[in-house]
Amino acid sequence: AQSVTQLGSHVSVSEGALVLLRCNYSSSVPPYLFWYVQYPNQGLQLLLKYTSAATLVKGINGFEAEFKKSETSFHLTKPSAHMSDAAEYFCAVSEPKGSGAGSYQLTFGKGTKLSVIP
Amino acid sequence: DTEVTQTPKHLVMGMTNKKSLKCEQHMGHRAMYWYKQKAKKPPELMFVYSYEKLSINESVPSRFSPECPNSSLLNLHLHALQPEDSALYLCASSQGPGRSNGYTFGSGTRLTVV
Repeated sequence: AQSVTQLGSHVSVSEGALVLLRCNYSSSVPPYLFWYVQYPNQGLQLLLKYTSAATLVKGINGFEAEFKKSETSFHLTKPSAHMSDAAEYFCAVSEPKGSGAGSYQLTFGKGTKLSVIP
Repeated sequence: DTEVTQTPKHLVMGMTNKKSLKCEQHMGHRAMYWYKQKAKKPPELMFVYSYEKLSINESVPSRFSPECPNSSLLNLHLHALQPEDSALYLCASSQGPGRSNGYTFGSGTRLTVV
């Protein structure tokens, strides 16, 4: 089964500093990878996704991620943190489950809580 | 319309009650999902519907009963729940069953079982 591992359950950065959230994947086939953000008491919002079209993926709110096959990584970055970026971030992989049409599932890493210090 | 709408947003129910969670999307998505999320944990898959047919049941207890009346609606019927079932229940949809499709999530129903 495919999986993702997020390094660091809690990351703190100063406002204006670089944001780096780490995600490593485990997959024997080309993975389809996603980053989601979850604000308190809300659902998940898709930030960006990797589907093999380009290794550098740009998402919403100034975030981007680079797929590195040699490092099995898909780290999320943002050049300058804003207070509004404080949230929980989940890396996820889409993998086959069962058989037949519709047999895919999104499996999440354990999440990284980002705090932004003014 | 680019949203997944879940109702109610909050629900408190007793262990003998019967209630239902509702999820609706009008994006033409043909795959819909129920996830359960406990505090400080990632979402965990419960059910997947593809083209209105149940395609994945992650060994969920029978006190949770999903239903997909049409391609836009997804229900989760609850009966005889336990306090440990208290969680955020998230509905999601995607264009189809393909691996490359991102999921659109609703804002969830916060369920408390007393």
